[in-house]
Amino acid sequence: KAGVTQTPRYLIKTRGQQVTLSCSPISGHRSVSWYQQTPGQGLQFLFEYFSETQRNKGNFPGRFSGRQFSNSRSEMNVSTLELGDSALYLCASSLGSYIGNTIYFGEGSWLTVV
Amino acid sequence: KNEVEQSPQNLTAQEGEFITINCSYSVGISALHWLQQHPGGGIVSLFMLSSGKKKHGRLIATINIQEKHSSLHITASHPRDSAVYICAANYGADGLTFGKGTHLIIQP
Repeated sequence: KAGVTQTPRYLIKTRGQQVTLSCSPISGHRSVSWYQQTPGQGLQFLFEYFSETQRNKGNFPGRFSGRQFSNSRSEMNVSTLELGDSALYLCASSLGSYIGNTIYFGEGSWLTVV
Repeated sequence: KNEVEQSPQNLTAQEGEFITINCSYSVGISALHWLQQHPGGGIVSLFMLSSGKKKHGRLIATINIQEKHSSLHITASHPRDSAVYICAANYGADGLTFGKGTHLIIQP
């Protein structure tokens, strides 16, 4: 059974640009959640999507958005990139809501903003 | 405020030692997760607990709801256990709140 797949793995963007990251969950999983990891702040919850609906959102500005498609694949978008957005972005999938189920993480997308 | 406190931040031990990592959280969690992160970024979910105790191989996780405290134990530690261990409390609609992590090094 394939795991959670994130693309791209590594990318470099310039301040002011936007970026879209993709996450393909484990087959059959309907929940996809997104996280940001930085050396200073550690891991932080961004948002969760379940059956194409955003159900929960962390404390991030509106520049961070996402969506989920009918096949449960999810994308995360960051607009007007800032240097502080440089981070490892992780997505995770779970069978039901992440609230009561084991979560399975992808390898992450390393974003560098220059 | 939803908080998760983890200790110790860094731990170096000899192969074979019994390891304990602690995690304290605020009230109102629906579950607590223990995660393992190796260099390079990949995170593996070790346990999800809402009560009691779980065991998987040499790893044991316990949670005390009244004391708002959880522990992760590693028996007969091995150099391959070297990683960052992170606890995360599930506050429901507020999402997961993560501890800062424990950097564990097991020396042969």
